[in-house]
Amino acid sequence: ETGVTQTPRHLVMGMTNKKSLKCEQHLGHNAMYWYKQSAKKPLELMFVYNFKEQTENNSVPSRFSPECPNSSHLFLHLHTLQPEDSALYLCASSPSRDSYTGELFFGEGSRLTVL
Amino acid sequence: GQNIDQPTEMTATEGAIVQINCTYQTSGFNGLFWYQQHAGEAPTFLSYNVLDGLEEKGRFSSFLSRSKGYSYLLLKELQMKDSASYLCAVVDSNYQLIWGAGTKLIIKP
Repeated sequence: ETGVTQTPRHLVMGMTNKKSLKCEQHLGHNAMYWYKQSAKKPLELMFVYNFKEQTENNSVPSRFSPECPNSSHLFLHLHTLQPEDSALYLCASSPSRDSYTGELFFGEGSRLTVL
Repeated sequence: GQNIDQPTEMTATEGAIVQINCTYQTSGFNGLFWYQQHAGEAPTFLSYNVLDGLEEKGRFSSFLSRSKGYSYLLLKELQMKDSASYLCAVVDSNYQLIWGAGTKLIIKP
């Protein structure tokens, strides 16, 4: 138990569907992250939120839309995805984004399959 | 560009010792992390090195040489539960985390 919970753990969706991934952290952290993990590839940082404000968007296609209503919750809204978007989506948190020398706390991920 | 290299897969025997290497070329350096990730689970923090040398934590040790752009994770007295992927990540000069693709470690009885 890392203190970061992601739902759903598994999701299968068609290319025309709209779905959302949810992340919740119980650690009192102020920074939250979305990562994409594909087989045999490095983790890809997608979005960073620090104190509820989006601070980084690493050229992620607009079919991925993040939302951070408060420091404990993070969503990733998905629409009109492509099969190549199939991957494990990991949420992580840290005390703040100001210094990246602290460890990240990851959730177990949401395994997304796009048909 | 920035790059982290680590072997894709390694196999070792229960009870033995294994060393997982990580070499990096990054714009600046502010520390190196090792994470462990069991299949279907969250990556979890193992170690953080920012100064040269060896840091030991139980059966696991992590070594860093900044001049060589090199680190390794040493696992002793291997157990079946050590079968996992091991991720190396470097903090660059902009405090961005640069990740390697991970090393899948298979432990055989």
